[in-house]
Amino acid sequence: DTEVTQTPKHLVMGMTNKKSLKCEQHMGHRAMYWYKQKAKKPPELMFVYSYEKLSINESVPSRFSPECPNSSLLNLHLHALQPEDSALYLCASSQDLSAGTEAFFGQGTRLTVV
Amino acid sequence: GENVEQHPSTLSVQEGDSAVIKCTYSDSASNYFPWYKQELGKRPQLIIDIRSNVGEKKDQRIAVTLNKTAKHFSLHITETQPEDSAVYFCAASNLGSARQLTFGSGTQLTVLP
Repeated sequence: DTEVTQTPKHLVMGMTNKKSLKCEQHMGHRAMYWYKQKAKKPPELMFVYSYEKLSINESVPSRFSPECPNSSLLNLHLHALQPEDSALYLCASSQDLSAGTEAFFGQGTRLTVV
Repeated sequence: GENVEQHPSTLSVQEGDSAVIKCTYSDSASNYFPWYKQELGKRPQLIIDIRSNVGEKKDQRIAVTLNKTAKHFSLHITETQPEDSAVYFCAASNLGSARQLTFGSGTQLTVLP
């Protein structure tokens, strides 16, 4: 199983809503990531988890709150988002944080904030 | 931190011709250079990667070359096909940093039938 599964695939939410994005992998990977991707731009790193602990927060606003309940799951909790937060949110995983380990991406959640 | 520059931003080739995309990186400690292909509305998928102890790697119609001295690496696609049309991203990984992948800005490749 080389899949990273993200749900939902599409999400439309109002600026006062609270929602969560979910990511799951069963490859035994111990590093998991959230990326944000705007149209025609490269993915931008948001958060990195290593062994279920937050390793990197790339100065992401607090309206985005990551959570790693176990080694297979990664969540991104959303609250009070702005329209400019509309983007494709990609989850990825890799074996660990060693350089040279392949990152597998999920298919993404396309988020629209209205 | 690492900075990766990618050129060109768009590339159109005739089917059957070759396509070359070039990237430069700034951090000499980077030692892993993957290339991702992203079709419209889909996830980035790794198509080939190279480590700094290797100068060239080939997989069928795709090859990557790395020049550590000049700090640049290139993707070569031969005998292009319409299904090769996509956005291609290069990336570099910084040894010793948990920052993982720094992506280039992407190249929109269009293969004209």
